Amino acid sequence: GQQVMQIPQYQHVQEGEDFTTYCNSSTTLSNIQWYKQRPGGHPVFLIQLVKSGEVKKQKRLTFQFGEAKKNSSLHITATQTTDVGTYFCAPGNNDMRFGAGTRLTVKP
Amino acid sequence: DVKVTQSSRYLVKRTGEKVFLECVQDMDHENMFWYRQDPGLGLRLIYFSYDVKMKEKGDIPEGYSVSREKKERFSLILESASTNQTSMYLCASSPRLAVHRETQYFGPGTRLLVL
Repeated sequence: GQQVMQIPQYQHVQEGEDFTTYCNSSTTLSNIQWYKQRPGGHPVFLIQLVKSGEVKKQKRLTFQFGEAKKNSSLHITATQTTDVGTYFCAPGNNDMRFGAGTRLTVKP
Repeated sequence: DVKVTQSSRYLVKRTGEKVFLECVQDMDHENMFWYRQDPGLGLRLIYFSYDVKMKEKGDIPEGYSVSREKKERFSLILESASTNQTSMYLCASSPRLAVHRETQYFGPGTRLLVL
């Protein structure tokens, strides 16, 4: 089964509001990846985090890897309609499974 | 750019038919995967392969088999299609597994309807 718990399952926001999805593991992860799937599309790789406490930014997206390497988050500042989609975390440790995903909808 | 292609975007089959879903990647990746995606259930791993002629069961292999005769091609076979196999099927590939998980590249998906 899935190694990580991803929450929330759904999130609906007004355009301009912030959004955060969380990925939590019971075991220490070697790394974690994040993917985005647009409606009707396929998952596309966004970023990989490897180091404890790592923070990476991509424009309005901020990715964090916890100090204990057991949790990670993706935060979007001031959401836009182009952010709509499902965001998946993907734990490392030679796993090929994904979190259940957080589906984001944005009201213009 | 890595390209992963799947033989069909949409497929309609009848119960009991044998169904072949083909996936081809052009980046010489060692690993290939088949997932199915259903609303509320995320991406579930069916089978994966880490080399030619090698295959490993994922979390939901029942009712499926796979074939990898060539490095670039990974086929998913539904031996006798059933209505509960109606789903979106996603193929992915990645370089050889290392210490850290490698990036996976997905195909566009095949939406299969079994009547």
